[in-house]
Amino acid sequence: GQNIDQPTEMTATEGAIVQINCTYQTSGFNGLFWYQQHAGEAPTFLSYNVLDGLEEKGRFSSFLSRSKGYSYLLLKELQMKDSASYLCAVMDSNYQLIWGAGTKLIIKP
Amino acid sequence: NAGVTQTPKFRILKIGQSMTLQCTQDMNHNYMYWYRQDPGMGLKLIYYSVGAGITDKGEVPNGYNVSRSTTEDFPLRLELAAPSQTSVYFCASSYSLAGSYEQYFGPGTRLTVT
Repeated sequence: GQNIDQPTEMTATEGAIVQINCTYQTSGFNGLFWYQQHAGEAPTFLSYNVLDGLEEKGRFSSFLSRSKGYSYLLLKELQMKDSASYLCAVMDSNYQLIWGAGTKLIIKP
Repeated sequence: NAGVTQTPKFRILKIGQSMTLQCTQDMNHNYMYWYRQDPGMGLKLIYYSVGAGITDKGEVPNGYNVSRSTTEDFPLRLELAAPSQTSVYFCASSYSLAGSYEQYFGPGTRLTVT
């Protein structure tokens, strides 16, 4: 079967750095997405990786290792507004997104 | 651009009732999707469409129907509502199926079936 695993919840301090991990087992791989979802709102796109390595976009970076079925999202200089759920999703061989359950990130002052 | 809009925002249905969730996008995207999101679980694809007149089943299509008569609209029909259909429903659209093209989501419809 297809499976995406992420930690359920993480806590970090304002101004710090946090890494959210995602491991996956899917039928085929056509890229990995990270989305942010604030409570009660719709998911919004953060990043896309299809090749191994690190993609940096401002305070957010995303890393992919296809051989290990592993990705992480790195958030730097955490702000209170970063409190949200972070969703990992893999595009499978049918070009459908398989979603993880999300990691709820709590930022403390 | 309004992006992806959904109506209604909230709805309570009785078991056995039917309803249509509306979804409209103004980005001229060919690809549209319906997901449901249950607490503690990932988004599940219900149906998707690759263009007007073309729809296909996703992972959890039972109990739902869709149509796509125009590029802009992609309504989701619930027939004979059941408590298992209590969920948050998101409509999304994208420019392409493959590659780095992100999916844009509507604000969601929170449905309770009692």
